[in-house]
Amino acid sequence: KAGVTQTPRYLIKTRGQQVTLSCSPISGHRSVSWYQQTPGQGLQFLFEYFSETQRNKGNFPGRFSGRQFSNSRSEMNVSTLELGDSALYLCASSGGAGETQYFGPGTRLLVL
Amino acid sequence: EDQVTQSPEALRLQEGESSSLNCSYTVSGLRGLFWYRQDPGKGPEFLFTLYSAGEEKEKERLKATLTKKESFLHITAPKPEDSATYLCAVRIPSGGYQKVTFGTGTKLQVIP
Repeated sequence: KAGVTQTPRYLIKTRGQQVTLSCSPISGHRSVSWYQQTPGQGLQFLFEYFSETQRNKGNFPGRFSGRQFSNSRSEMNVSTLELGDSALYLCASSGGAGETQYFGPGTRLLVL
Repeated sequence: EDQVTQSPEALRLQEGESSSLNCSYTVSGLRGLFWYRQDPGKGPEFLFTLYSAGEEKEKERLKATLTKKESFLHITAPKPEDSATYLCAVRIPSGGYQKVTFGTGTKLQVIP
């Protein structure tokens, strides 16, 4: 079974731009969660989607948004990028509530 | 407030020198505790899920245990390839659903 895939793997953007990251979950998994990982803050929860509905959202500004499609693939968008948005963005999928999350390789975003 | 604390932050072991990593939590309504291993620049790799106090799971040189307030990851006779950051996470109820909160990790270095 193929694992979680994320694209692109690396991105360089400048302040003020926007970016869209993509995540394809493990086949059959309907829940997708997004995390931001930085050296200082560790893994911070962004949001979780299940069957195209956002179920939970972390403490991030409205510049961070996401969506999930009917095939469970998910995208997250960051608008008006700031230097502090530089991080590893991780996507994780699970079969449903209470089940183990499996992570993708991440997208490394650098904002200049 | 729900908290997950991992200790020590960093640990340096000689090859073959067994030790334990700690994950203590103060949460309401634990729905699962997870251990992951993360190598630099990669997504976390799932190791174990524990659901109730007294539960234990093993995989090769690793053994995870759970009490009502903490979990331990025991590493027996570690090898250099066990060097990584080990992350602990808890799943708890949130807004009618559940969310996953991560600790900041323990960075393990095993010296040959």
